[in-house]
Amino acid sequence: SQQGEEDPQALSIQEGENATMNCSYKTSINNLQWYRQNSGRGLVHLILIRSNEREKHSGRLRVTLDTSKKSSSLLITASRAADTASYFCATDAEGYSTLTFGKGTMLLVSP
Amino acid sequence: EAGVAQSPRYKIIEKRQSVAFWCNPISGHATLYWYQQILGQGPKLLIQFQNNGVVDDSQLPKDRFSAERLKGVDSTLKIQPAKLEDSAVYLCASSLATLGFMNTEAFFGQGTRLTVV
Repeated sequence: SQQGEEDPQALSIQEGENATMNCSYKTSINNLQWYRQNSGRGLVHLILIRSNEREKHSGRLRVTLDTSKKSSSLLITASRAADTASYFCATDAEGYSTLTFGKGTMLLVSP
Repeated sequence: EAGVAQSPRYKIIEKRQSVAFWCNPISGHATLYWYQQILGQGPKLLIQFQNNGVVDDSQLPKDRFSAERLKGVDSTLKIQPAKLEDSAVYLCASSLATLGFMNTEAFFGQGTRLTVV
């Protein structure tokens, strides 16, 4: 079963705009990770946030985690055409050791 | 650092035939995953190994799918017999994660695109 659920399913923006995508999950987690997938580079890890962290930054990426709402958001600032990809959240549920992916958000950044 | 290697990259078979995929994880990674990704969906975990032991295979269709991890390193995933609905990309990933320490990323191979006709 898939633990995470991304929202929206698809997002279309212009270069330079910010993109925000959300992930909701059902059970308590050890950590939450975001991955990007495009046809050229396959599935690539972007950022990991632990359950005791609330916010994390990496370059143009900002991730927040609200364990009380069981949700996370990924913000990409100043988007570029190269950011066009599908973005997935993946959770490592507390008490388990498996990594479970959501259905993903397809992001299209137009020049 | 060498990444996760998978072969073949592409495979076309007829239904009821058998097929095998191979994965070589990053050296030293204890955990190895096999995922199935159907077009337009997120990766679905089929089986997870830690070293050569199975951690989770609850979503592996065991009547037709099998997997093994030899000596805790390379792994093969087999489908026999294949069905049309097995058409998907099969992704192998590895990580340093161990039971009790999961705060680590997974590294994915390029995948094998399987088409069953």
